[in-house]
Amino acid sequence: NAGVMQNPRHLVRRRGQEARLRCSPMKGHSHVYWYRQLPEEGLKFMVYLQKENIIDESGMPKERFSAEFPKEGPSILRIQQVVRGDSAAYFCASSRSRRSDEKLFFGSGTQLSVL
Amino acid sequence: GEDVEQSLFLSVREGDSSVINCTYTDSSSTYLYWYKQEPGAGLQLLTYIFSNMDMKQDQRLTVLLNKKDKHLSLRIADTQTGDSAIYFCAESILGGATNKLIFGTGTLLAVQP
Repeated sequence: NAGVMQNPRHLVRRRGQEARLRCSPMKGHSHVYWYRQLPEEGLKFMVYLQKENIIDESGMPKERFSAEFPKEGPSILRIQQVVRGDSAAYFCASSRSRRSDEKLFFGSGTQLSVL
Repeated sequence: GEDVEQSLFLSVREGDSSVINCTYTDSSSTYLYWYKQEPGAGLQLLTYIFSNMDMKQDQRLTVLLNKKDKHLSLRIADTQTGDSAIYFCAESILGGATNKLIFGTGTLLAVQP
């Protein structure tokens, strides 16, 4: 039973380019969460999605960031016109439901470096 | 507001016990978690405790929760070099439609052989 799969593991972009980060949840999980970890900080919640729906995007920057979780395929976190401050580790997590006792399982993350 | 704080660094010798501390502010937390992050890896769920419990033991791990003081600790008995990692505590806030985790900044545990 594969865990949460994220790719790529490392992504290098120049300022102004677009970054696309992919996340495939665990089998049987339809709830996906994206978190961002800035250097020497804890993880910060960005967005929570269920299949085809954004449920909570309260942690997403207002501009340049978007997320989707289509009916088929992985969840995508897209960052347009990247800036140096976007450099961080982006983690995806999944769960079977949104029950308070439901555990989140995390992927290995995508390290985004903006030159 | 939501805030979780941890000390940044802890150094212990192999075989000793490690105690990692965490304080949180949101009294509506339902579950509190400890995650382990090894270099270049994702977060591994170690253990968790429901907010109406005081203690939970799981092999070498003991979690203590003082709800009055909003203080959580993780004790690792007989610490091994393989325990060297960053440990994050997190509280689960069930608000609205989201089961959201609020993470601390992490404690780097260094185990000396």
